[in-house]
Amino acid sequence: NAGVTQTPKFQVLKTGQSMTLQCAQDMNHNSMYWYRQDPGMGLRLIYYSASEGTTDKGEVPNGYNVSRLNKREFSLRLESAAPSQTSVYFCASNKQGMGNQPQHFGDGTRLSIL
Amino acid sequence: AQTVTQSQPEMSVQEAETVTLSCTYDTSESDYYLFWYKQPPSRQMILVIRQEAYKQQNATENRFSVNFQKAAKSFSLKISDSQLGDAAMYFCAYRSVPLNRDDKIIFGKGTRLHILP
Repeated sequence: NAGVTQTPKFQVLKTGQSMTLQCAQDMNHNSMYWYRQDPGMGLRLIYYSASEGTTDKGEVPNGYNVSRLNKREFSLRLESAAPSQTSVYFCASNKQGMGNQPQHFGDGTRLSIL
Repeated sequence: AQTVTQSQPEMSVQEAETVTLSCTYDTSESDYYLFWYKQPPSRQMILVIRQEAYKQQNATENRFSVNFQKAAKSFSLKISDSQLGDAAMYFCAYRSVPLNRDDKIIFGKGTRLHILP
């Protein structure tokens, strides 16, 4: 029972490089999310997708793009990485329409931009 | 827009004692859901407890309980008989009643809890 799987777990990039963070869930959830976690800032929503084919901006979308490839997969892309994007990134999913159901989180990706 | 405030960035408690973590939120909605998550050093996000706003009874899960005051928009977490394994970052979260594409969950900034042996 894998739940939410994120890859990679760690990554170091140079400023200006691009990369894609991958996320997949096997719980047949409709809604998927990308958050970033910074010290003292909690979890801030970058983008979310309520269903396959739809994506919406969250609180801090600038510098990121997302793709909801299918129901299982939701990727986050940094086109031109900046040091301000150094953070821990979490992917999450939950059942749509079931408000009392918690989000299920991946283990996070620690991303450092030099 | 809804907001969630955790006013205590850090707290400490002696092992076996009781500690209460505060959370307040701002909303104009009458129906919603509230959660407490625990994040240990492993970075995993673990659900601790949940509360439906329409329920007056406070939720409990073993040593964890909440004091839900809807009128005051307060949702505090009480940990009884604190254990070393309770040391973690704790996040309070608010979820509106999901409506189609609008299904966001708002997190507070967290409270780091230290357990003193």
